[in-house]
Amino acid sequence: GESVGLHLPTLSVQEGDNSIINCAYSNSASDYFIWYKQESGKGPQFIIDIRSNMDKRQGQRVTVLLNKTVKHLSLQIAATQPGDSAVYFCAVSKGGYGGSQGNLIFGKGTKLSVKP
Amino acid sequence: DSGVTQTPKHLITATGQRVTLRCSPRSGDLSVYWYQQSLDQGLQFLIQYYNGEERAKGNILERFSAQQFPDLHSELNLSSLELGDSALYFCASSVGQRGDEQFFGPGTRLTVL
Repeated sequence: GESVGLHLPTLSVQEGDNSIINCAYSNSASDYFIWYKQESGKGPQFIIDIRSNMDKRQGQRVTVLLNKTVKHLSLQIAATQPGDSAVYFCAVSKGGYGGSQGNLIFGKGTKLSVKP
Repeated sequence: DSGVTQTPKHLITATGQRVTLRCSPRSGDLSVYWYQQSLDQGLQFLIQYYNGEERAKGNILERFSAQQFPDLHSELNLSSLELGDSALYFCASSVGQRGDEQFFGPGTRLTVL
């Protein structure tokens, strides 16, 4: 089955610096990838997604990079702000229907702390 | 605010008891997903319903069951509760049935004493 892992459980950055959070997945058939942000006491919040036919996708201050060769996913946050402090999860879907195929497998999360 | 609502916000109960968690999806979403989040296991997918029918099953215990009603709200029933069932339970919804771009509710914190 699919497994999703994070390279670092915690990351501390200075306000204004760029942050990079990494994620690795195991199943080469995975075709959909999402990053979620979870603040303390709240549910996960969708940040950005990417499909396997793309290598890069940009949002507002965030960029997701997908390297299918090494099965690696990263989230880049530009000019990190104190409000970005949260736990970030990557999630992976293999697509398809039924069973557990179409559903998201979550990594354990990276806690991002932003120092003012 | 994701548009997904969950009640109650907190629930404290005793071992052996049964509880029901409720979820209302975003307007227009047909799929509802249930997840369990504990400190040691992270976010674990439990079950998905699409337009009233069970669509996919994950790591859901036999003591747990769920259903989705005609108005698309969903309930997760947890019975014969054990201490280890203490966790955050999240509901998420999406438009389609594939699991893409799920929007999460605020969660229900269950404490089993």
